[in-house]
Amino acid sequence: SAVISQKPSRDICQRGTSLTIQCQVDSQVTMMFWYRQQPGQSLTLIATANQGSEATYESGFVIDKFPISRPNLTFSTLTVSNMSPEDSSIYLCSVGVRGQGRTEAFFGQGTRLTVV
Amino acid sequence: AQTVTQSQPEMSVQEAETVTLSCTYDTSESDYYLFWYKQPPSRQMILVIRQEAYKQQNATENRFSVNFQKAAKSFSLKISDSQLGDAAMYFCAYLFGNEKLTFGTGTRLTIIP
Repeated sequence: SAVISQKPSRDICQRGTSLTIQCQVDSQVTMMFWYRQQPGQSLTLIATANQGSEATYESGFVIDKFPISRPNLTFSTLTVSNMSPEDSSIYLCSVGVRGQGRTEAFFGQGTRLTVV
Repeated sequence: AQTVTQSQPEMSVQEAETVTLSCTYDTSESDYYLFWYKQPPSRQMILVIRQEAYKQQNATENRFSVNFQKAAKSFSLKISDSQLGDAAMYFCAYLFGNEKLTFGTGTRLTIIP
């Protein structure tokens, strides 16, 4: 299993500013995933973060808007840059763990971002 | 590309009764994983149940069970003896390969006391 500590849990930010979200995992994992969940919607993958290489972004998401760092195998950050009210969402990090023939995804507690 | 469809945006059930949430998916792969996640208002994603596609036997976790129909690409969740604490958004999810999940649109479950 994996325990993920994500912070901040929530924030209210002014438009035009940036917010960095952190995720710390209690074990080493190869890939970490960042999701966005807009109000009343499902989770949409923003990017996959590998240690030692640039993140891989999904269609509709760009590095300038959502820069990601992955300095080691237990930590990652997602920055939401130049925020607008449309960025108000829940942001979640996730890791996949394979072991004993099973695969499971674990999630951080989520960051509720409100942009005013 | 893989897609996951949940056709029931909202469901409600009387406390202690049984409810079934539907999920269908599309994939060309044969070996993959399917999950049901619960998201209460706390927004924490909680794993309810998992199914490995290579297993024919339906997964069961206490009051939660699935009906996995691989040929039909269907993966429904049955909640027995519904409890007030079961009220949440439920997401069906598909996973293949690199541990990237594809989620359905979710079903909001309401429990009626």
